[in-house]
Amino acid sequence: QVQLLESGPGRVQPSQTLSLTCTVSGASVSSGNYYWTWIRQPAGKGLEFIGSIFTSGSTHYNPSLKSRVTILLDTSKNQFSLQLNSVTAADTAVYFCARFVDYYDLDEYYFDFWGQGTLVTVSS
Amino acid sequence: IVLTQSPGTLSLSPGERATLSCRASQSLDSSYLAWYQQKAGQAPRLLIYGASMRATGIPDRFSGSGSGTDFTLTISRLESEDFAVYYCQQSGRAPPYSFGQGTKLEIK
Repeated sequence: QVQLLESGPGRVQPSQTLSLTCTVSGASVSSGNYYWTWIRQPAGKGLEFIGSIFTSGSTHYNPSLKSRVTILLDTSKNQFSLQLNSVTAADTAVYFCARFVDYYDLDEYYFDFWGQGTLVTVSS
Repeated sequence: IVLTQSPGTLSLSPGERATLSCRASQSLDSSYLAWYQQKAGQAPRLLIYGASMRATGIPDRFSGSGSGTDFTLTISRLESEDFAVYYCQQSGRAPPYSFGQGTKLEIK
């Protein structure tokens, strides 16, 4: 069974950098047709795609966040991470990490495993 | 591609049929359309992928249909555990991905 677990500070000061890590067990972040993805959800609102990193290391970001986001793989620890620069109160949200299946040969595309989510509050 | 879900809130009673809509701003290969259920304080759970394929362990009262720009999630007979928020999501051949704004299914 694949499991994902988010970790990182629960509070970040405005203008600073939000840093989160997703630790994966039951699968390798460096193999298979998967996009390891960060998604966020402000309180009472919908889901927003932040960005993804493929098992090869190639990245794709939400155009509205692209200038502030970096997603990296750490294959030695079987983790991937999120850095979001210059945060404001609008970045306060529950942050989820998730695995996106990209089975091109089977024509199957979906998020199959999610972390429990971690609340990050931007406040001084 | 922008996904628009309707209605925003749907009030029904257990045993009734629920029909949730997801409209795409441009035509979408149905392979790339999925539906998720989210309960309060939990991560979303995959229900349907490829517009109509039920995920493993999902009861057959859940069904998906549609093509092009119009997609539908139907719950044939609502049970108490089905009251939650539902999201459609599109992927395309590569990220970025997008979600609809959600439909809240509440008990009438």
